[in-house]
Amino acid sequence: EAGVTQSPTHLIKTRGQQATLRCSPISGHTSVYWYQQALGLGLQFLLWYDEGEERNRGNFPPRFSGRQFPNYSSELNVNALELEDSALYLCASSLRGSRYNEQFFGPGTRLTVL
Amino acid sequence: AQSVTQLGSHVSVSEGALVLLRCNYSSSVPPYLFWYVQYPNQGLQLLLKYTTGATLVKGINGFEAEFKKSETSFHLTKPSAHMSDAAEYFCAVSGSDRGEYGNKLVFGAGTILRVKS
Repeated sequence: EAGVTQSPTHLIKTRGQQATLRCSPISGHTSVYWYQQALGLGLQFLLWYDEGEERNRGNFPPRFSGRQFPNYSSELNVNALELEDSALYLCASSLRGSRYNEQFFGPGTRLTVL
Repeated sequence: AQSVTQLGSHVSVSEGALVLLRCNYSSSVPPYLFWYVQYPNQGLQLLLKYTTGATLVKGINGFEAEFKKSETSFHLTKPSAHMSDAAEYFCAVSGSDRGEYGNKLVFGAGTILRVKS
């Protein structure tokens, strides 16, 4: 069974541009989570989508947004890129109603903002 | 609020020696606790989790961890380190409720484990 997949693997953008990152969850999982792993800041929760709705977001500005599609895949958009947005962005998925909130992670997209 | 503290950003052990990675948590609700491992340029892999029941949990690759509520700790151990254990390890907490704390993982800062031959 395929795990969580993310694309692209690497993304290079310049300041002010927009970035779009994509995630496909494990088959049967309806919840998708996004985390940012920035140097010196550790792993921080960004967004949670379930059944097509944004359920919770972390302490990030509104230029970080996303959506979840009917097939439960998800897209993270980062507008007006800033240098400090450079990070590894990890996507995770979990089963609907997962009692123990066990999340399975993809390999990540490394975003570099120049 | 929930938080996780991992003592020691870097730990170095000799091959065959005991591995001990420390994790303390703070949670206002009964916690679920996790250890993840991250190899260079890869995502996170779940090593083990504590949810309810037995406080000593066994995971993959010979790792185990013990939940100690009185000490708010969830330290990760392995009796004998192997070169392939060199990686970064993250402790994480989520709430057992289904509300604000139940849907996201709060991570510690991570501990880089180095295994010397």
